[in-house]
Amino acid sequence: SQKIEQNSEALNIQEGKTATLTCNYTNYSPAYLQWYRQDPGRGPVFLLLIRENEKEKRKERLKVTFDTTLKQSLFHITASQPADSATYLCALEGYNTDKLIFGTGTRLQVFP
Amino acid sequence: ETGVTQSPTHLIKTRGQQVTLRCSSQSGHNTVSWYQQALGQGPQFIFQYYREEENGRGNFPPRFSGLQFPNYSSELNVNALELDDSALYLCASSLKQGAYNEQFFGPGTRLTVL
Repeated sequence: SQKIEQNSEALNIQEGKTATLTCNYTNYSPAYLQWYRQDPGRGPVFLLLIRENEKEKRKERLKVTFDTTLKQSLFHITASQPADSATYLCALEGYNTDKLIFGTGTRLQVFP
Repeated sequence: ETGVTQSPTHLIKTRGQQVTLRCSSQSGHNTVSWYQQALGQGPQFIFQYYREEENGRGNFPPRFSGLQFPNYSSELNVNALELDDSALYLCASSLKQGAYNEQFFGPGTRLTVL
């Protein structure tokens, strides 16, 4: 069955540094890979989507890479701020399914 | 805010009871998906409704059922509640019009089963 792995341990970094989160998957060939942010007690908020034929996507301080050979995506937040502290979820989606398969998420804590 | 609303925000039930959760989709959206998120886990797909018909289901037993109404709002019903049903239930709405359709999540309903 499909499996998505994200670092289960929290990532603690200092303000201003770049945070890098990892998403690895097996037994799946996604059409799209998405990253969401989730704050405690809230629903996930969409951040970025990258298609299977794309290598990299950027949006402001966010950058996502997608390696379909390694079955891995990296999510970078540059110049991190305490307000970036949240749980970040990776999600895969197949063609014409609208069904998102989520990883367990990685909690990011940015210290001043 | 996404414009997707869910009610109630919190709910406490006992084992064996039945529960109905509600979701109002964002204006103009015709598709609603439901997810279950246990503590410390990622959301798991329960099912999706498109134009009032079930359009895909995850690995959940038949006691999880749903409805979508003509105004595209939706209900999730869970019968014979079990302790493991305690979770945050999320709905997400989208406008199905192409290969990729961004989903907008509501704030969730926290269900506790005692």
